[in-house]
Amino acid sequence: AQSVAQPEDQVNVAEGNPLTVKCTYSVSGNPYLFWYVQYPNRGLQFLLKYITGDNLVKGSYGFEAEFNKSQTSFHLKKPSALVSDSALYFCAVRDLSNDYKLSFGAGTTVTVRA
Amino acid sequence: GAVVSQHPSRVICKSGTSVKIECRSLDFQATTMFWYRQFPKQSLMLMATSNEGSKATYEQGVEKDKFLINHASLTLSTLTVTSAHPEDSSFYICSARDPWRENTEAFFGQGTRLTVV
Repeated sequence: AQSVAQPEDQVNVAEGNPLTVKCTYSVSGNPYLFWYVQYPNRGLQFLLKYITGDNLVKGSYGFEAEFNKSQTSFHLKKPSALVSDSALYFCAVRDLSNDYKLSFGAGTTVTVRA
Repeated sequence: GAVVSQHPSRVICKSGTSVKIECRSLDFQATTMFWYRQFPKQSLMLMATSNEGSKATYEQGVEKDKFLINHASLTLSTLTVTSAHPEDSSFYICSARDPWRENTEAFFGQGTRLTVV
């Protein structure tokens, strides 16, 4: 079965500093990986995905993620964080036994202080 | 990107009553939709997979008689919480994926905050 792990419950950074949110995955076969962001009392917004191709994936709002097969990681990054990036971030992997299912990590709360 | 609309965004109901939540795909037809439940500051738990024209597939531990799912059309799935109790209070989120777009991501509704009093 596919799964993802987000080792950090919380990440705190100062505005303007780089932001990294970690994610590792476990899959049999090729991974389909996603990052979503959730603001309070809202649904999930898609940020970016890795299906195949370049290991560095660029997404919405200046975010990017690097797929690292040897380390089975898919860390989310932003070079310069904004206060408005404060939210809950989820890494997810598609269940290859069911093309539509997603398995989510536990989530990482990002707080960017001014 | 594709749009998924969920309604209502917030509902308060009395214990013992039933509540219906709607999930619509606005600009694509979704043969499959998913219903999730999320507790405060926790991850999303998949409750069931809603299949257009057939019975929903429930995850282990989810009571199918309590959480009724109907997917009567290619753009609408409904989740009905029957005989609601305070422990059913939670944030419910639906998602859908355009089956005609290869390797596309799932799109999520805005979520419904259910409070049972």
